[in-house]
Amino acid sequence: GEDVEQSLFLSVREGDSSVINCTYTDSSSTYLYWYKQEPGAGLQLLTYIFSNMDMKQDQRLTVLLNKKDKHLSLRIADTQTGDSAIYFCAESRLSGGSYIPTFGRGTSLIVHP
Amino acid sequence: EPEVTQTPSHQVTQMGQEVILRCVPISNHLYFYWYRQILGQKVEFLVSFYNNEISEKSEIFDDQFSVERPDGSNFTLKIRSTKLEDSAMYFCASTIRGDTQYFGPGTRLTVL
Repeated sequence: GEDVEQSLFLSVREGDSSVINCTYTDSSSTYLYWYKQEPGAGLQLLTYIFSNMDMKQDQRLTVLLNKKDKHLSLRIADTQTGDSAIYFCAESRLSGGSYIPTFGRGTSLIVHP
Repeated sequence: EPEVTQTPSHQVTQMGQEVILRCVPISNHLYFYWYRQILGQKVEFLVSFYNNEISEKSEIFDDQFSVERPDGSNFTLKIRSTKLEDSAMYFCASTIRGDTQYFGPGTRLTVL
């Protein structure tokens, strides 16, 4: 079955890099996602990576995928207070013609001055 | 930028009552979904909908739940007889191709 694990909290100083780690179990996952949830808001798709890629960079965000270890990470460069949120990792499975994500519990990122 | 919208933002209901949660997906999207997040727990998949029918549902999505796309824009989730344990945030999502889903802001359902 699918399961996604991530640490619950990460605290960083403003301007530092943040690295949020995630492990997943389904080796057949095709897409792996990072979502951001700010207080009282929905899930915002931050970025995703296709399973045949090792790395994807998008401005301050870098996603690394180690498919052998089933490990996904999200690096946020120059972390700002506005980055404080809960970050959800998700693996996906193809079902009914679309990819259904299975989410982790989320990592609360706290950015302090 | 187009967004998924959901109404109401907060719904309070008595146990045993029916509720309908409403979503307006992004206009050119073809796949629609409902998820729920019980406070402090993971976001859980409920159901996916494509071409006017359910394409997949989880074990949570029992006979108390139903979905409908009554017109070209709305996508609704009905809970027929709410239970206390139905209290959660309910998220609607949509996607054009079935790969990357865009979520709405959620409806907080409180069952008393």
